[in-house]
Amino acid sequence: AQKVTQAQTEISVVEKEDVTLDCVYETRDTTYYLFWYKQPPSGELVFLIRRNSFDEQNEISGRYSWNFQKSTSSFNFTITASQVVDSAVYFCALSVAFFGNEKLTFGTGTRLTIIP
Amino acid sequence: GAGVSQSPRYKVTKRGQDVALRCDPISGHVSLYWYRQALGQGPEFLTYFNYEAQQDKSGLPNDRFSAERPEGSISTLTIQRTEQRDSAMYRCASSPGGAKGFGQPQHFGDGTRLSIL
Repeated sequence: AQKVTQAQTEISVVEKEDVTLDCVYETRDTTYYLFWYKQPPSGELVFLIRRNSFDEQNEISGRYSWNFQKSTSSFNFTITASQVVDSAVYFCALSVAFFGNEKLTFGTGTRLTIIP
Repeated sequence: GAGVSQSPRYKVTKRGQDVALRCDPISGHVSLYWYRQALGQGPEFLTYFNYEAQQDKSGLPNDRFSAERPEGSISTLTIQRTEQRDSAMYRCASSPGGAKGFGQPQHFGDGTRLSIL
């Protein structure tokens, strides 16, 4: 079975500070994908990024960066110079393929509040 | 529209009634998933369709829950004899699946907020 743990339930930072959201996963499969989704106050789920289990390169997209480390089973998400618009609940998720079924296992989410 | 569309956005009904929730996936997407999200929690998997075939229903809580996708496009999740514990956000997601390969992101609809009185 798969498991995703987001130990940080809520985080508050002052605008322009950097913040890192932690994600730890468990799976026995060697081939899997990791995802981050954003759920703003309006409620929709927005896809941010995916990584496959064979690619440990870190990725940067503007103010966002992701650090994937298989040795610690972690896939952490850093926002640099945070902005009020970053306030949202962020979910980390994991999928393994089984005959095309890539159902996602989500963590419980981290609620991020950026204080102006 | 280009995204996943769900209807209704909100549904309030009395305990014991049946409800049907609709999902219209992104055109051409082969894979369709249903999830349920309780307040303060992440979405939890309910069922998966590959075209019209329901290939995994392991997440459906009990036999009051059923889903179909008869023509491989629009899907309906039905809850019979609703109970208060069924109150949640029900989300549908689709992805290209098939020959597009493993790991394509799932795109979610805005969900149906179901409240059982």
